[in-house]
Amino acid sequence: AQKITQTQPGMFVQEKEAVTLDCTYDTSDPSYGLFWYKQPSSGEMIFLIYQGSYDQQNATEGRYSLNFQKARKSANLVISASQLGDSAMYFCAMRAQETSGSRLTFGEGTQLTVNP
Amino acid sequence: DGGITQSPKYLFRKEGQNVTLSCEQNLNHDAMYWYRQDPGQGLRLIYYSQIVNDFQKGDIAEGYSVSREKKESFPLTVTSAQKNPTAFYLCASSISQGRAGTEAFFGQGTRLTVV
Repeated sequence: AQKITQTQPGMFVQEKEAVTLDCTYDTSDPSYGLFWYKQPSSGEMIFLIYQGSYDQQNATEGRYSLNFQKARKSANLVISASQLGDSAMYFCAMRAQETSGSRLTFGEGTQLTVNP
Repeated sequence: DGGITQSPKYLFRKEGQNVTLSCEQNLNHDAMYWYRQDPGQGLRLIYYSQIVNDFQKGDIAEGYSVSREKKESFPLTVTSAQKNPTAFYLCASSISQGRAGTEAFFGQGTRLTVV
């Protein structure tokens, strides 16, 4: 079975500072993908960044980067230069292809609040 | 434009009634998903389908049913057996087998309320 754990129900950060949102995962599958999504109060799910289990480098997308530590089974999201519009719920998700097919599992989420 | 359309956006159900939530995609994706989200909580997988005429139960399938007769459509029925159906329901799709790295695209969601 695959499992995603996000241990921070809520996080606060000052505008223009960096923040790290934690995500740990559990799977026995050697091939898997890790995803981060943002959910504003409107409810839509916005894809942010992806990291593959065989990727040699940490993924980056603009102000988003993923701190991938495979041995520790962690895939933390780093948001640099926080903006007020970054205030939202953030979800970590995983797909382990061999053992779970297309199944996509989400964590409980972290509510990020950016203060001016 | 390609995307996923969920309808209706808001749905009210009387106790004891079955209701069906619509999800249509024109992205030519094989895999489709239904998630339930309660206030302040994460997404819990109800059902998912990797290919037409096939689907698997997720973590909270009891009280729900689905069908996948067409690649584009994956309707979810909330039956009277679901004791607490009030929630936000999200449908998603993605490219399927052998592509662990492809992200899922989501619809705008349906907010179901039991009255």
